Amino acid sequence: GENVEQHPSTLSVQEGDSAVIKCTYSDSASNYFPWYKQELGKRPQLIIDIRSNVGEKKDQRIAVTLNKTAKHFSLHITETQPEDSAVYFCAAFSPGGGADGLTFGKGTHLIIQP
Amino acid sequence: NAGVTQTPKFRILKIGQSMTLQCTQDMNHNYMYWYRQDPGMGLKLIYYSVGAGITDKGEVPNGYNVSRSTTEDFPLRLELAAPSQTSVYFCASTTHARSEQFFGPGTRLTVL
Repeated sequence: GENVEQHPSTLSVQEGDSAVIKCTYSDSASNYFPWYKQELGKRPQLIIDIRSNVGEKKDQRIAVTLNKTAKHFSLHITETQPEDSAVYFCAAFSPGGGADGLTFGKGTHLIIQP
Repeated sequence: NAGVTQTPKFRILKIGQSMTLQCTQDMNHNYMYWYRQDPGMGLKLIYYSVGAGITDKGEVPNGYNVSRSTTEDFPLRLELAAPSQTSVYFCASTTHARSEQFFGPGTRLTVL
């Protein structure tokens, strides 16, 4: 099955700086890569996703890049703000896995220092 | 639309007790999922369903059961609760496996 590794597990950045979270996946057939944000005590919510026919996608201060050859994808947050503090999960969807083909990484705790 | 709702929000069980975690969605989604999230860990899939009357095991199904008699409801049953089942449980739904999953607010369960 698919295996998703996420790094780092904790990331502390100064407010206004950029943050980058990286994920690697094992199944070269994986074709959908969502990112979820989970604030403390809240439910995970999708913030951005990318499909395998696209190399980069941007939404305001958030961007995701995908390198299919290297089998890794990254979340980039620019001009970080206090409200960006949360746990971020990457995931990869493997078609061979069927309806349960989405595999999550273990999460990155992003801390924005004032 | 209420989206995905879960009850109860919190529950404390004694070892050996049973309970049902309720999950309802009003978005007419066929796909529904149950995850557990242990402290500092990611989401582990317990069970999932691709439509009414169809359920299947995920990564960590032992100690749990599910049913899907309607499109809207996907209850999770815990039989003979054990301390290892202390966790936060999230229900999610989506239109398709390769689409955004919408999560419920979660149920925080403690087994003592």
